[in-house]
Amino acid sequence: EIVLTQSPGTLSLSPGERATLSCRASQSISSSYLAWYQQKPGQAPRLLIYGASSRATGIPDRFSGSGSGTDFTLTISRLEPEDFAVYYCQQYGSSPLYTFGQGTKLEIK
Amino acid sequence: QITLKESGPTLVKPTQTLTLTCTFSGFSLSTSGVGVGWIRQPPGKALEWLALIYWDDDKRYSPSLKSRLTITKDTSKNQVVLTMTNMDPVDTATYYCAHSAITMVRGVITYYFDYWGQGTLVTVSS
Repeated sequence: EIVLTQSPGTLSLSPGERATLSCRASQSISSSYLAWYQQKPGQAPRLLIYGASSRATGIPDRFSGSGSGTDFTLTISRLEPEDFAVYYCQQYGSSPLYTFGQGTKLEIK
Repeated sequence: QITLKESGPTLVKPTQTLTLTCTFSGFSLSTSGVGVGWIRQPPGKALEWLALIYWDDDKRYSPSLKSRLTITKDTSKNQVVLTMTNMDPVDTATYYCAHSAITMVRGVITYYFDYWGQGTLVTVSS
């Protein structure tokens, strides 16, 4: 079973700053199988990035993803007030079919 | 416009069976490459994938919960039903259904959850 470990658990930044979120897999996975979701309080998750680096429909270009093998990164270039949320990485394809990380909470400093 | 909505009981007793229905619009589960999945989230905790059903009736389950889960579809009603047996207080969570469609990424077939329902909170308590 692939385990996804996200770091940090909580990230405190100010609007306008750059955010870098990490997702590490317990074994190598294809970058095609790595996604990122954003979840705000009381809302369902929203797909941000798929295939490690492709933005989903309607996602602003300040969101970018990168990585390969076991290490993946979500970067938000300039934080907007609406970006403060919890972010989850997710892998597809290995048993179990989908695995989510434990999440990184991005909070306003 | 794709929408999904979960429905079912908000409170179940331990040992009971939970039945949740996902009613969707804007797509057909008879279209090749489409799937609907269930994901849950205990209060304050992370997301956990439960099950997925594809357009061709192929079904996949979380190995840790497989013995307790059944997923079915009714294409004519645009519904997907998830049943979970032997409910326990640790199963208290918000349950989401989500749309997934075949996506080619650098020549590889993948599926992501691109549309989600609003979720329904299920509490397990006597």
